[in-house]
Amino acid sequence: AQSVTQLGSHVSVSEGALVLLRCNYSSSVPPYLFWYVQYPNQGLQLLLKYTTGATLVKGINGFEAEFKKSETSFHLTKPSAHMSDAAEYFCAVMAGGYQKVTFGTGTKLQVIP
Amino acid sequence: DVKVTQSSRYLVKRTGEKVFLECVQDMDHENMFWYRQDPGLGLRLIYFSYDVKMKEKGDIPEGYSVSREKKERFSLILESASTNQTSMYLCASTESQGNQPQHFGDGTRLSIL
Repeated sequence: AQSVTQLGSHVSVSEGALVLLRCNYSSSVPPYLFWYVQYPNQGLQLLLKYTTGATLVKGINGFEAEFKKSETSFHLTKPSAHMSDAAEYFCAVMAGGYQKVTFGTGTKLQVIP
Repeated sequence: DVKVTQSSRYLVKRTGEKVFLECVQDMDHENMFWYRQDPGLGLRLIYFSYDVKMKEKGDIPEGYSVSREKKERFSLILESASTNQTSMYLCASTESQGNQPQHFGDGTRLSIL
């Protein structure tokens, strides 16, 4: 079985501040991990993914995430928040057949001017 | 780019009606998925399909059925709509091989009155 826990359903940061969204996963097999972003009234867009190899993964819009196996974590960061980053972010784990994915409950990011 | 198209962005139906939600993808993907998204619960998998005419139950299949007669089209059916099925419904698709991420449609916001 696989599961994902996102710590904090709402996170607020000031424009220009560091963004840190936390994700911990559970998996019985080596996982593939994803971060998605959802803007209002839209579907999910892929930000970045970890499969194998380098544990620091860079994605679109300046986001990156680091896979830490010992901590079972895959936290999402961005050095400097922009107003356009305000959205809901979902962490997801794929560790089963048929490309099935388990999603976290999401974190809404608010960026304060 | 992969395009996943959901037939309706907004839909209002009455209790007891039979409701069809349609999803079409244009990238010849083998796997297709239906999720519902509710505040605080993230995305929950209703059904998925890994080939034409093949389907598997997800985590919350009760009250739903699906149809996949053609590879590009995956339909979600609410047999007798109830108010607790008011939700955002998201369709996704992906290739069958490797660790490819899912591609999402823009969602259908369904209200059952």
